[in-house]
Amino acid sequence: DGGITQSPKYLFRKEGQNVTLSCEQNLNHDAMYWYRQDPGQGLRLIYYSQIVNDFQKGDIAEGYSVSREKKESFPLTVTSAQKNPTAFYLCATAGLAGGREFFGPGTRLTVL
Amino acid sequence: DAKTTQPPSMDCAEGRAANLPCNHSTISGNEYVYWYRQIHSQGPQYIIHGLKNNETNEMASLIITEDRKSSTLILPHATLRDTAVYYCIVRASTTSGTYKYIFGTGTRLKVLA
Repeated sequence: DGGITQSPKYLFRKEGQNVTLSCEQNLNHDAMYWYRQDPGQGLRLIYYSQIVNDFQKGDIAEGYSVSREKKESFPLTVTSAQKNPTAFYLCATAGLAGGREFFGPGTRLTVL
Repeated sequence: DAKTTQPPSMDCAEGRAANLPCNHSTISGNEYVYWYRQIHSQGPQYIIHGLKNNETNEMASLIITEDRKSSTLILPHATLRDTAVYYCIVRASTTSGTYKYIFGTGTRLKVLA
């Protein structure tokens, strides 16, 4: 969806390295979300945030960290503690009052 | 959290209606049902959503049963471009006051020429 930028589209890293995935939005949405998708699977929630400097763990937060220093930005760090980080990562936003989620184009992370 | 159950795959002939079912028997009274679809390696695309009443837009219709335990997404005249994975999602409120969108495993719809 327009208004959400994820970069890069493809990312390669060596095992044991931390890597940060970018998510930026200009939709003025309060809530932001990170999901992980493995091949042939649905989306699993990693972290979400409704306001600046506040975020909550989703279903699979172990090995990941986030920050929300600005309303527009919600970067995700995949740490070396994440056992199997190779996956497709999707960022999404929504208004604080709910409504539909808007998704970014995704980042495909491959750890070699 | 409410959970959704969908058949893993379905086929539909081009030009015919595609009816995709979803079971959400544990849904709460104020939780909305959303439908998205995803084409390989792209972000999910919004289709439609509803709470109690049936809904229709330019893409699809959503039929929700009276007890709200299940719903059906209807693509009235499926085309080859409708081949995708379709997700039925429940939007649940959290203790912090925001919302979580709970995805199931989706239905892989294949439209056949």
